[in-house]
Amino acid sequence: NAGVMQNPRHLVRRRGQEARLRCSPVKGHSHVYWYRQLPEEGLKFMVYLQKENIIDESGMPKERFSAEFPKEGPSILRIQQVVRGDSAAYFCASSPPDRSLYTFGSGTRLTVV
Amino acid sequence: AQSVSQHNHHVILSEAASLELGCNYSYGGTVNLFWYVQYPGQHLQLLLKYFSGDPLVKGIKGFEAEFIKSKFSFNLRKPSVQWSDTAEYFCAVVNTGGFKTIFGAGTRLFVKA
Repeated sequence: NAGVMQNPRHLVRRRGQEARLRCSPVKGHSHVYWYRQLPEEGLKFMVYLQKENIIDESGMPKERFSAEFPKEGPSILRIQQVVRGDSAAYFCASSPPDRSLYTFGSGTRLTVV
Repeated sequence: AQSVSQHNHHVILSEAASLELGCNYSYGGTVNLFWYVQYPGQHLQLLLKYFSGDPLVKGIKGFEAEFIKSKFSFNLRKPSVQWSDTAEYFCAVVNTGGFKTIFGAGTRLFVKA
């Protein structure tokens, strides 16, 4: 009974490189959410996706960040040309349509050097 | 805008001491309330949640929380903490029927053996 699977657990990137973070939702969950946890802060909502649709991206930075949740495969959070300020823990959550079982993954800790 | 305020950023207790972590939120409508725990290096785990009904909610590991609507509060309590309770605790709120979970900044609890 796998929960939300995120990989990699830890990711190190040099400034200017691209970071790709993957999230496989709980089986049967069609909704995915991404959150970012900056050091010494709580989690902040980034984006809400359903299969092939972005429902709400009000928390996404305007540039360099994008997210997708294709019909097949995991959801991807993509950060282009990373900067030191992107260093954070990125958490994914999934839920069924009624959002009754909102489940978080283990997170990906991104370090930009 | 919705917000969640956790009163203490760091708490240090001795084993067997009682714990109360404060949480206040700002939102005038109906909300669902959560407490999550994050042990070092691990993912977020749901401790307990309040949707409706009895405002005193019991969760896992001996934790409980009381929803006081008039005070917009949802404080977390445990009568006797253990060393293994050392972790970071997050209070979170979501509008009933909504999807964007708003997190507090977290409280780091350290329990001395």
